[in-house]
Amino acid sequence: GAGVSQSPRYKVTKRGQDVALRCDPISGHVSLYWYRQALGQGPEFLTYFNYEAQQDKSGLPNDRFSAERPEGSISTLTIQRTEQRDSAMYRCASSLTGTSGSFPDTQYFGPGTRLTVL
Amino acid sequence: AQSVTQLGSHVSVSEGALVLLRCNYSSSVPPYLFWYVQYPNQGLQLLLKYTSAATLVKGINDFEAEFKKSETSFHLTKPSAHMSDAAEYFCAVSGIGGYNKLIFGAGTRLAVHP
Repeated sequence: GAGVSQSPRYKVTKRGQDVALRCDPISGHVSLYWYRQALGQGPEFLTYFNYEAQQDKSGLPNDRFSAERPEGSISTLTIQRTEQRDSAMYRCASSLTGTSGSFPDTQYFGPGTRLTVL
Repeated sequence: AQSVTQLGSHVSVSEGALVLLRCNYSSSVPPYLFWYVQYPNQGLQLLLKYTSAATLVKGINDFEAEFKKSETSFHLTKPSAHMSDAAEYFCAVSGIGGYNKLIFGAGTRLAVHP
């Protein structure tokens, strides 16, 4: 079946503009995660959804960042008043559940959105 | 707090040589450990994961990793490198709990030369 998809794949915007990044998880996956990956670094956790409930947003860097998943499927990460330091690869991942019993479910990652803020 | 350290941001090997990518973790709870691979213009793909069932974990494409609690390590190995193994490799850790927030290392870029 289809994997995790993200759009757009590339986004170039000017400082101060708002951007919305979309994630379409694997059908039926309950859990959805957003990560941010700066150049030369590993992905860093931003936020987690269980169905439509945002259960952890501890990784969002500030209040310019927000995320939603209103129907428990597609998710949108929004960055308001973008700044150059927001430039990064934004990755989405989904898993069937949070855990299978007590073991963590495998996360499947999308190709990412490369955001460049000029 | 949990963290992951990958020693060596770049590793270069000859085709057919042993691949060894190092990962050390810090965790206050029994960890779950993962290795992901990232090919250019693709998403992260799971190679293997340790969930306490066995200390030696086998993954795809002949990769394997051994969990060593005494050394807090989870190094990734492959007996014979192939040109197609050239990619970036990430080690990650997550703790027990209701969901699986991954904490990644900085990554190791593997180059394979003829």
